[in-house]
Amino acid sequence: DIQMTQSPSILSASVGDRVTITCRASQNISTWLAWYQQKPGKVPKFLIYDVSSLQGGVPSRFSGSGSGTEFTLTISSLQPDDFATYYCQQYESYFCTFGQGTKLEIK
Amino acid sequence: EVQLLESGGDLVHPGGSLRLSCAASGFTFKNYDMSWVRQAPGKGLEWVSTIINSGGRTFYADSVKGRFTISRDNSKNTVYLQLNSLRAEDTAVYYCARSARPFGDSFDYWGQGTLVAVSS
Repeated sequence: DIQMTQSPSILSASVGDRVTITCRASQNISTWLAWYQQKPGKVPKFLIYDVSSLQGGVPSRFSGSGSGTEFTLTISSLQPDDFATYYCQQYESYFCTFGQGTKLEIK
Repeated sequence: EVQLLESGGDLVHPGGSLRLSCAASGFTFKNYDMSWVRQAPGKGLEWVSTIINSGGRTFYADSVKGRFTISRDNSKNTVYLQLNSLRAEDTAVYYCARSARPFGDSFDYWGQGTLVAVSS
């Protein structure tokens, strides 16, 4: 199985900050990587697919980069609505796996 | 509008069984692979199972293989997850999710989830 490791597990930041979350794969997954946002008690929201393609309606302050085994999600200027938990997901095959999550909290 | 509506979650004893359903609408169901993803209380997301659009192939996480069975009825636009030999560690919200593209992909639409609680 491909393991996905996110860092940090918790990130404290302020409105307006630029933040980056890292996701590392245990083996090469090319560009088969997605990001999701989840707020407490809510359904995961699909943000980014194929490393850097934004799903429709996702604000342009979100961006993704990387390839192979190391990937990042960047939020260019944090907004109050962005404080949530973020998950990466690899889909190199049908046997997909998620990272453990990064909780983005208000400093 | 794409909608996925899960049902069937309940409180069940260890060793018990349950069948979850996910009714889909707003898209051509038979064209999409469908999956179940679960989330234990306070924990992260865990992929459980996927069934391809035709129903001809199924895939399972090691943690549920041999105990859970995914199936679909394209005439009813519904995907199912049969849960057998349930354990306490199967306690979770179970989400139905649509794969954006074939051959293993991200999940572009999710249902609201249904809670399965395994406890004596």
